[in-house]
Amino acid sequence: GESVGLHLPTLSVQEGDNSIINCAYSNSASDYFIWYKQESGKGPQFIIDIRSNMDKRQGQRVTVLLNKTVKHLSLQIAATQPGDSAVYFCADVSGGYQKVTFGTGTKLQVIP
Amino acid sequence: KAGVTQTPRYLIKTRGQQVTLSCSPISGHRSVSWYQQTPGQGLQFLFEYFSETQRNKGNFPGRFSGRQFSNSRSEMNVSTLELGDSALYLCASSYGQGITEAFFGQGTRLTVV
Repeated sequence: GESVGLHLPTLSVQEGDNSIINCAYSNSASDYFIWYKQESGKGPQFIIDIRSNMDKRQGQRVTVLLNKTVKHLSLQIAATQPGDSAVYFCADVSGGYQKVTFGTGTKLQVIP
Repeated sequence: KAGVTQTPRYLIKTRGQQVTLSCSPISGHRSVSWYQQTPGQGLQFLFEYFSETQRNKGNFPGRFSGRQFSNSRSEMNVSTLELGDSALYLCASSYGQGITEAFFGQGTRLTVV
């Protein structure tokens, strides 16, 4: 079946550095993609999304890049802060926004 | 405004029992979707309700069911619990259908012993 996976289970980053979290997907018919942040004991929190007809989208301190050729998605966090420590995972939405497949997550650890 | 509220936060049940979890969406939201989150499988979609009708369903056995009331509050029920049902169950609400602009609750941690 179709899947969404993450390259690295854990990423350690020095405070102030930029973080890059990667995600691979296999569904070529995806409508759009979402990045979520999940802190310990909390539900997932929407960070940013990108439609499949775009290749880049920027938010506050975050940028999502989409490479449809290699079916790869990345989340870049600028000037990483301790409050960014969390699990990040991507989601692939298809079927007219009806089918959603989540990645397993990458744990981001920010070193003060 | 108040966020998505899930009750209870924690639950311990015995194998073979049944359980009912509750989700109160954000005021004005008409869609409630449910997800199961486990360390091994990650986050998986269970089902979605919109205006009291199930609109979408994931690949879970019939032991997992749900419903939505006229005030948009939703419940999910798991019958004949198995050890593998231990998970964090999350619900999310949105104004429209699907996961777009959905807000998640903190989840109910279910442990089956």
